[in-house]
Amino acid sequence: SQQGEEDPQALSIQEGENATMNCSYKTSINNLQWYRQNSGRGLVHLILIRSNEREKHSGRLRVTLDTSKKSSSLLITASRAADTASYFCATDAGGYNKLIFGAGTRLAVHP
Amino acid sequence: SAVISQKPSRDICQRGTSLTIQCQVDSQVTMMFWYRQQPGQSLTLIATANQGSEATYESGFVIDKFPISRPNLTFSTLTVSNMSPEDSSIYLCSVDGGRGAYNEQFFGPGTRLTVL
Repeated sequence: SQQGEEDPQALSIQEGENATMNCSYKTSINNLQWYRQNSGRGLVHLILIRSNEREKHSGRLRVTLDTSKKSSSLLITASRAADTASYFCATDAGGYNKLIFGAGTRLAVHP
Repeated sequence: SAVISQKPSRDICQRGTSLTIQCQVDSQVTMMFWYRQQPGQSLTLIATANQGSEATYESGFVIDKFPISRPNLTFSTLTVSNMSPEDSSIYLCSVDGGRGAYNEQFFGPGTRLTVL
């Protein structure tokens, strides 16, 4: 069963604005990952944060992890139209290398 | 990172037929995974395929419906058998990053299946 819950389900912003997506999970994890999917195509790995890390950066992406609240957030700064996609969090709570995905957030960035 | 290709990229099939989806990786990997993504939904793991052993299926998925082959370390197939419209989904294969446990996964582009 899926254990990740994401909000919002959909987010619409203008270019240049920041986009924040949240993910909650239910059981203990070793790591949490964020993926992007463009128009029903394959997933692209964005960032992995381990349970002993609180924050991680990659370019315009910033991910936080709060294991006490069992939640994570993905911040995309200075968004671009090319950031339009669905974003999924995934945890390893399914077991060795078995990912459990959240429901996803559909992000639309308007020029 | 691994480069993964899938064939076919999309197909439209009649109910009652079967479709075999191929997944090719550009490097040898231990574990390969097959996911289903129903329309507008997230991804659900179907099974894990290790070379030289039977695939391990997740709850709700059975070998008779989704037989998997893993003949070598760079290739796997997933067959969707006796299809019904409810099988219309995107099917994706993935591989683990290969640097120990709990890694990122790399995904193929997916196979979009429509069953009429």
